[in-house]
Amino acid sequence: DTEVTQTPKHLVMGMTNKKSLKCEQHMGHRAMYWYKQKAKKPPELMFVYSYEKLSINESVPSRFSPECPNSSLLNLHLHALQPEDSALYLCASSRSTSVRGLAGYSGELFFGEGSRLTVL
Amino acid sequence: AQTVTQSQPEMSVQEAETVTLSCTYDTSESDYYLFWYKQPPSRQMILVIRQEAYKQQNATENRFSVNFQKAAKSFSLKISDSQLGDAAMYFCAYSGQGGSEKLVFGKGTKLTVNP
Repeated sequence: DTEVTQTPKHLVMGMTNKKSLKCEQHMGHRAMYWYKQKAKKPPELMFVYSYEKLSINESVPSRFSPECPNSSLLNLHLHALQPEDSALYLCASSRSTSVRGLAGYSGELFFGEGSRLTVL
Repeated sequence: AQTVTQSQPEMSVQEAETVTLSCTYDTSESDYYLFWYKQPPSRQMILVIRQEAYKQQNATENRFSVNFQKAAKSFSLKISDSQLGDAAMYFCAYSGQGGSEKLVFGKGTKLTVNP
């Protein structure tokens, strides 16, 4: 199984709603990521979880709240979003490595198809 | 901070021809990884090819190959025998020493393949 599965594929929400995006992988990868991607732009890193602990938060507004319940699941909780938050949200995972004695990650990201979010 | 620059916002190629996408990067690290990712329209992003900086030999994957010039900090992607399915956004990306959790992406090149 080499898939990263994201649900829902499409989500429309109002600015007062609370919703969640979900991501799942069963490749045994220990790093999981949330990216935000606007049209014709590269993905922008939001959060990284490493071994189920938040390791990187790229100064994302608190209306986005990540959660990693276990090594296979990653959630992104959404609350009080703004129309400018409309975007494609990508989940990705990568495997841990040891390269010449240095622990890290392979840099090869496995991406899901994304959740397209529209905030009205 | 590391940066990745893709100077060609758009490129086009005729089917069966060869095209080269450019990428330059800036880093003070000596050990790192470079990647090309492909994102077809409305489909998921996938890794095309990966290069480890300590390896002098250029990486190849079937019709995809790179020209890695470490001193010049250049990492171009050559696609041979272009196919319609190669049409996509191509992102060049950098990962730091030991393979870090954080990828630095270029702005992307949109490749069109003409029949």
